[in-house]
Amino acid sequence: DSGVTQTPKHLITATGQRVTLRCSPRSGDLSVYWYQQSLDQGLQFLIQYYNGEERAKGNILERFSAQQFPDLHSELNLSSLELGDSALYFCASSVATEYEQFFGPGTRLTVL
Amino acid sequence: ILNVEQSPQSLHVQEGDSTNFTCSFPSSNFYALHWYRWETAKSPEALFVMTLNGDEKKKGRISATLNTKEGYSYLYIKGSQPEDSATYLCAFPGANNLFFGTGTRLTVIP
Repeated sequence: DSGVTQTPKHLITATGQRVTLRCSPRSGDLSVYWYQQSLDQGLQFLIQYYNGEERAKGNILERFSAQQFPDLHSELNLSSLELGDSALYFCASSVATEYEQFFGPGTRLTVL
Repeated sequence: ILNVEQSPQSLHVQEGDSTNFTCSFPSSNFYALHWYRWETAKSPEALFVMTLNGDEKKKGRISATLNTKEGYSYLYIKGSQPEDSATYLCAFPGANNLFFGTGTRLTVIP
């Protein structure tokens, strides 16, 4: 158990819908990262937050957004969902960028 | 975007064999290199964080070395076991991100 929690574990929805994925980092970690793993793809970095502020953006679509709240949990919002958004979404946390990241169990999103 | 390359892409070894694979990264502005192990249907798990040139770290049968001047790190597995089967990722921190390589997928055949 990494100490990072993600909910829900599975999510099935339809095209055009909007969903919110939630992540609680390890106690004491200020950085939260979101990654997407599509079928047979590696980890694609989406976005990073540090202590409530956006720090870095990767290959995140405009339909996607995220935020980190004062209690340091983070939410990833995916809207106008398309079939291609079906993927495993991981959240990770760390003390800071150069330190090891601890990954949550992931949320499996299926868009039908 | 930083270029982090891993080789080979996949590897099959017999149980008991020792093996190693490579991670190449930019040698300029180095301050850390991470190794992660990612088993199928699980989450990536940190193995090592290496920061010093010449660093060597060990965890059980797995060890890693680091050469920051030439920009590479080796991961070694001694006496591979079926439970070592996983994808091994290296990652290089950028200014505000961690750039992952595509990984080496190791399969240990009993």
